[in-house]
Amino acid sequence: DQQVKQNSPSLSVQEGRISILNCDYTNSMFDYFLWYKKYPAEGPTFLISISSIKDKNEDGRFTVFLNKSAKHLSLHIVPSQPGDSAVYFCAASGGGSNYKLTFGKGTLLTVNP
Amino acid sequence: GAGVSQTPSNKVTEKGKYVELRCDPISGHTALYWYRQSLGQGPEFLIYFQGTGAADDSGLPNDRFFAVRPEGSVSTLKIQRTERGDSAVYLCASSSGQGEKLFFGSGTQLSVL
Repeated sequence: DQQVKQNSPSLSVQEGRISILNCDYTNSMFDYFLWYKKYPAEGPTFLISISSIKDKNEDGRFTVFLNKSAKHLSLHIVPSQPGDSAVYFCAASGGGSNYKLTFGKGTLLTVNP
Repeated sequence: GAGVSQTPSNKVTEKGKYVELRCDPISGHTALYWYRQSLGQGPEFLIYFQGTGAADDSGLPNDRFFAVRPEGSVSTLKIQRTERGDSAVYLCASSSGQGEKLFFGSGTQLSVL
């Protein structure tokens, strides 16, 4: 039973445009959400996070939005760059186990020059 | 080293054999995690160490899997009587404390023939 769902296996966008990656979760105990980025043959690297007390967090070109009532979060990348091409994982933790991340299956983003 | 180091990067073994996977965390990081990523899936939690002790091993799939961290630094994940279904990328991560940002290694690709 997938508690964190990324329903789009892949996304393709043009360089300079906005990339929007979506994530849904089912566990209402989750209170901390993260996005990780992964290049082939490398481990995931932390990108950005958001606590459930916020609805938006911004870091440069990356913004994460959280809609708690809909149990939905999204990652916006603007402007997208070819170097952003990677697999993006949504992850969540909470319920007293803030060390244990539950990951989605990932979305492969391709940014075309 | 500067990051989390995992050895070997690739391990091919035969069904029924015993394997050991090593993780060298970032110096000073007290928390260490093992995750497993199967093809087309996101990383799945296996075990979490705080110092030398396994604080949570609830993700280990069965008693063929065991992990140690005897001196609170390097950790070894041990798999007995390997099965083809154990084939996956085994990821190690460390952090400076519980709930802090995870830094992942590049993983060990285990293939059981």
